Amino acid sequence: GAGVSQTPSNKVTEKGKYVELRCDPISGHTALYWYRQSLGQGPEFLIYFQGTGAADDSGLPNDRFFAVRPEGSVSTLKIQRTERGDSAVYLCASSENQMGEQYFGPGTRLTVT
Amino acid sequence: GQQVMQIPQYQHVQEGEDFTTYCNSSTTLSNIQWYKQRPGGHPVFLIQLVKSGEVKKQKRLTFQFGEAKKNSSLHITATQTTDVGTYFCAGGSGGSYIPTFGRGTSLIVHP
Repeated sequence: GAGVSQTPSNKVTEKGKYVELRCDPISGHTALYWYRQSLGQGPEFLIYFQGTGAADDSGLPNDRFFAVRPEGSVSTLKIQRTERGDSAVYLCASSENQMGEQYFGPGTRLTVT
Repeated sequence: GQQVMQIPQYQHVQEGEDFTTYCNSSTTLSNIQWYKQRPGGHPVFLIQLVKSGEVKKQKRLTFQFGEAKKNSSLHITATQTTDVGTYFCAGGSGGSYIPTFGRGTSLIVHP
């Protein structure tokens, strides 16, 4: 079946602009995670959804970052007033439940110029 | 906060040699997961360990979870070129299954 999908695959934006990154998890997976990964680093946790609610947003670096999952499936990560330091690959993962193995999407490479 | 450290950062081996990567946590873990990321790809789940002293095998891969649940290792026997990639450990603690990833060990296999 279909895995986790993310759009766009690449996004180039200017400093100060607003961006939205989308994640389509595997159907039926209640848990959804957002990470970002910089070159040479492991994935860095941003936020975790269980169903529609953000169960843990402790990884969001500041209030420019926000994420939603209004119907418990698709999630959108929103970044306001982007900065060059936001450039990274943003990964989404889903799992059947909080304890399940995580299936990662291909990521969105964000470049802020 | 919790820190997960992995060593080595890079490992070059000749095809057929063995490979081991080590993962150490600053706190006791409730579980540890291992992922493989091929160059240009995304992390792919390999295994999860939850019990103290647990050992699991997948073909040529052997995963161990330390008795104190603060360290783990991944050992690959007789590496192949298809083993190339970065291997990440990710530990959860405090009842949370939100994992903290290590920096990964990049395995380069020379034919």
